[in-house]
Amino acid sequence: DAKTTQPPSMDCAEGRAANLPCNHSTISGNEYVYWYRQIHSQGPQYIIHGLKNNETNEMASLIITEDRKSSTLILPHATLRDTAVYYCIVEIKAAGNKLTFGGGTRVLVKP
Amino acid sequence: GAGVSQSPSNKVTEKGKDVELRCDPISGHTALYWYRQRLGQGLEFLIYFQGNSAPDKSGLPSDRFSAERTGESVSTLTIQRTQQEDSAVYLCASSLEVYSNEQFFGPGTRLTVL
Repeated sequence: DAKTTQPPSMDCAEGRAANLPCNHSTISGNEYVYWYRQIHSQGPQYIIHGLKNNETNEMASLIITEDRKSSTLILPHATLRDTAVYYCIVEIKAAGNKLTFGGGTRVLVKP
Repeated sequence: GAGVSQSPSNKVTEKGKDVELRCDPISGHTALYWYRQRLGQGLEFLIYFQGNSAPDKSGLPSDRFSAERTGESVSTLTIQRTQQEDSAVYLCASSLEVYSNEQFFGPGTRLTVL
């Protein structure tokens, strides 16, 4: 069973905020939520991660619900270069974790 | 600072030939991963190195695949007697800490076996 569920695709207007949802209803107490993205023909790129508190960095914000069963990645001002597949991953912190990407959300930022 | 670099960026080879792919991780990163990504598919884990510990080779698909890493620096992935099904993008990632899922990926090597 997949640990996370994401919509397969979404469009976003350039300059607007993009809100990407992720459901992880079976998340365990020691599992973190990670977000990566993969721009076409490039390697995956780490974006942000969190355990239970909301997090913000120069790329994005991560909002995790109080029950931790879902989260939202927010790209505050989407640009055309943000067009990519975004992956939500739930994992414990352990040595040698192999990243497993599900289907992800294909985000298309339109001018 | 410099990110993870991989070479070559593209490699076209004939079936049956050996190929060697190189990865230079971010300086100071102790963990190094190799993944494979076939067209339109997700990541397939191949091998993991952590310091001087024995590597986790559980993802290598056959004995034609091998990898080495010198200390905490360069790694090479070797594929012997390449087959057409080996065609894929081979991605290398490194991580600063042992217990970290923040992996920094290189641009990949696109391998095409004719």
